[in-house]
Parts: sequence; C-alpha cells; structure tokens
Amino acid sequence: GQQVMQIPQYQHVQEGEDFTTYCNSSTTLSNIQWYKQRPGGHPVFLIQLVKSGEVKKQKRLTFQFGEAKKNSSLHITATQTTDVGTYFCGTGTASKLTFGTGTRLQVTL
Amino acid sequence: NAGVMQNPRHLVRRRGQEARLRCSPMKGHSHVYWYRQLPEEGLKFMVYLQKENIIDESGMPKERFSAEFPKEGPSILRIQQVVRGDSAAYFCASSPQGADYYGYTFGSGTRLTVV
Repeated sequence: GQQVMQIPQYQHVQEGEDFTTYCNSSTTLSNIQWYKQRPGGHPVFLIQLVKSGEVKKQKRLTFQFGEAKKNSSLHITATQTTDVGTYFCGTGTASKLTFGTGTRLQVTL
Repeated sequence: NAGVMQNPRHLVRRRGQEARLRCSPMKGHSHVYWYRQLPEEGLKFMVYLQKENIIDESGMPKERFSAEFPKEGPSILRIQQVVRGDSAAYFCASSPQGADYYGYTFGSGTRLTVV
C-alpha cells in the first residue's frame, strides 16, 4: 500500500515564528489530505489537494502539492498558541486513508 | 446536525474481558472507518464498512477483533479477550463517499484502557 513519511516528527517554536511540515512519498499520490489533532482530541480535517502544483490557503495556513504529486507541505505563518497540536497528512484510495506519522507542534510565548 | 458520535468516551476493561465500541456516523454518511491510535503514534487503519457490508478489513488483527455496521443502529467494533496491548484510542470516521472523495469527519474517540 501507499506510504507517506512526515518530517519533522516534532517542532518547538516561539509564538510568531513560522512552521512547516513536509509529507513525502516514493510513489505518485492521487490526493493529499491534511488533519490537525489537538492534544487529547480527535483529528479534524483541514483540506484536500488533488492537482499537481496546487496551492491552497486558509488564513495563516498554506498547503502545497508538489508538481510530481509525490510531496506536500503545510506552512503556518506567524504561529499562535492555538496552533498547538499534531498535524497529519494522509493519502486515500476509495477504501481508506493512509496517514503519515504526524508532526507535533509546540508553541510557546 | 450531530457529528460522528462515539461511545463510550472512556472504557476500562480487565484483561480477558470484551470491549464494545460504538459509532454512529454523521447523518447522510454511509461510509464508516475505524482507526486505532497508540499513545504518541499515528492513526492506523483497521476496517472500512458500509451498511451491512465489510468492504476492507485489511488492517484488522485476525483474531479477537470484529466489526459490523448493521442495517439499523450504530457500527460496532468488538474486541474479545482484551490484552494490555489493546489499550489505545479508537477513532471512528465517516464520509458520504469513499475516502478519496473528501475528508473524513472523525468522532471524539473511545479511549480503551486494559488493566
């Protein structure tokens, strides 16, 4: 099955700094989905990307899908303490999503 | 419009007992997925069901685990003779079509602790 690797595993930033997490695959992906999970919470869907080179923005969050559709990134501009959590990428077939290992983001004042 | 409802939120079982986890998908969603998350780890696919059918159970352990989604009522994930290694968060997700159509809506999860 398809596998996606996420880096870094963990990042600690000061509030106001930027943050980026990367999702990589050795095979071409038909889609990428991004989720956020707060500590003690459940994953919440953020966005889906399907087109080569696609870029989507949600306020301070920018999502990209690589031209070769083998990688994706999530960039947060000027982090806030509310951004704390684990960010997962996932790629799906009709029957399931396969998730990356996640990047845990810690934000301190 | 209620989201995905899972119960119980927390479940404690002694080794050897049975655990039953329930999931009611969002209204209008006929696709249900179960995932397991070990502490500090990612989400591992277990099973994908539609009403009365198991579509993909490639992530389910061969023994002790079973799932159903009956015509009436919630989807049930059943773990027989639980062991300490079954302690994890179990999340149910639903979608109106397949997993690649749009994002999942996850429930709040059931945290299973085996003592």
